[in-house]
Amino acid sequence: DARVTQTPRHKVTEMGQEVTMRCQPILGHNTVFWYRQTMMQGLELLAYFRNRAPLDDSGMPKDRFSAEMPDATLATLKIQPSEPRDSAVYFCASGLMEGNTIYFGEGSWLTVV
Amino acid sequence: AQSVTQLGSHVSVSEGALVLLRCNYSSSVPPYLFWYVQYPNQGLQLLLKYTTGATLVKGINGFEAEFKKSETSFHLTKPSAHMSDAAEYFCAVSEGGGADGLTFGKGTHLIIQP
Repeated sequence: DARVTQTPRHKVTEMGQEVTMRCQPILGHNTVFWYRQTMMQGLELLAYFRNRAPLDDSGMPKDRFSAEMPDATLATLKIQPSEPRDSAVYFCASGLMEGNTIYFGEGSWLTVV
Repeated sequence: AQSVTQLGSHVSVSEGALVLLRCNYSSSVPPYLFWYVQYPNQGLQLLLKYTTGATLVKGINGFEAEFKKSETSFHLTKPSAHMSDAAEYFCAVSEGGGADGLTFGKGTHLIIQP
């Protein structure tokens, strides 16, 4: 059963620490998205990649967030330094450009204290 | 720019009653419309989607939605609620078939009363 896999599932870290979240998209999918979910803002698109190339990261705070796709099976989202306001659930999703369905991972639940 | 409005952050229905979750969208081009469900501490699962063609779309778990262009709506319904339907429901819109990401509504928390 193909699925998007995210690690870690849960992370508690101290303010100022670096946090890296990883995502393995569904094999063969050429588009990968990063979303952030908070109570106040709901689901926000942070960035997305197509064929490993970044297409749009306008939703991402540039000073502390970075997203990369080192290869077709791995996408990363890094926060450095982390702040309490970064506490949220971060979802990775993948899909095919030619298709019209996006599949979500289980999320990485981040708490910054 | 596209946007989604979900009326009612919380909806409560009795078990066995009709479920109606409202969604209105704004889009400058013919939209692709989606409903996702999120159970506690889990990711989002696709319930159904509208792309083109038949405006009444059937999804999983007995849910269906109807695309009404004149009303810019895509309301989600289920004839008879079950306790297991309690979850958060998100309506989403895309102008590119999802290829450029989805714009989500704020979500509606569905509560099922026994």
